[in-house]
Amino acid sequence: AQKVTQAQTEISVVEKEDVTLDCVYETRDTTYYLFWYKQPPSGELVFLIRRNSFDEQNEISGRYSWNFQKSTSSFNFTITASQVVDSAVYFCALSESPKGGSEKLVFGKGTKLTVNP
Amino acid sequence: ETGVTQTPRHLVMGMTNKKSLKCEQHLGHNAMYWYKQSAKKPLELMFVYNFKEQTENNSVPSRFSPECPNSSHLFLHLHTLQPEDSALYLCASSQVPPSGQVVYEQYFGPGTRLTVT
Repeated sequence: AQKVTQAQTEISVVEKEDVTLDCVYETRDTTYYLFWYKQPPSGELVFLIRRNSFDEQNEISGRYSWNFQKSTSSFNFTITASQVVDSAVYFCALSESPKGGSEKLVFGKGTKLTVNP
Repeated sequence: ETGVTQTPRHLVMGMTNKKSLKCEQHLGHNAMYWYKQSAKKPLELMFVYNFKEQTENNSVPSRFSPECPNSSHLFLHLHTLQPEDSALYLCASSQVPPSGQVVYEQYFGPGTRLTVT
């Protein structure tokens, strides 16, 4: 069965600090997809990144970077030089490759990040 | 309109009322989803529609009834709800390729905040 664990429930940092959000996943499939979403106070989940299980290259997008390590089943997310606007709940999610049926996203419980000025 | 829209944004209803939530996606996707997000629980998938056919019903009580008249519109009909059904209801859409072998990201609407009194 699929499972996503985000052990950090809440993190509080001061602006300009770097912060890493942890995500550990469980799956028996060799083909799967990992995602990160951001949910600001407005409520809408904003897609950040999608990564498939065959692509272990780390990715950087501006102040955001992702570290995918299959050996430890982790897909961690780092925000460099955090800003107040980064304050949100961040969700990690996993989808196994669909087998003739519909795709299912399984979400972690989320990490609430507060960036203080 | 762009992306995924949901109406109403807020809804208060009594346990004997009947109401409907509406979702519309402007992304040309062929799959749509309903999720429930309650406090202290991870996002729960409720229903999935692929190509207008319901492909997933995640053991949702019959007081929730989905309807997907076309690939752009999704409804959630509510009747005789319970106070524990109070939550944020999120709609999402994605593109599912015919082969079904690749999983693409889902795009979410802003949600409907439902309160059952």
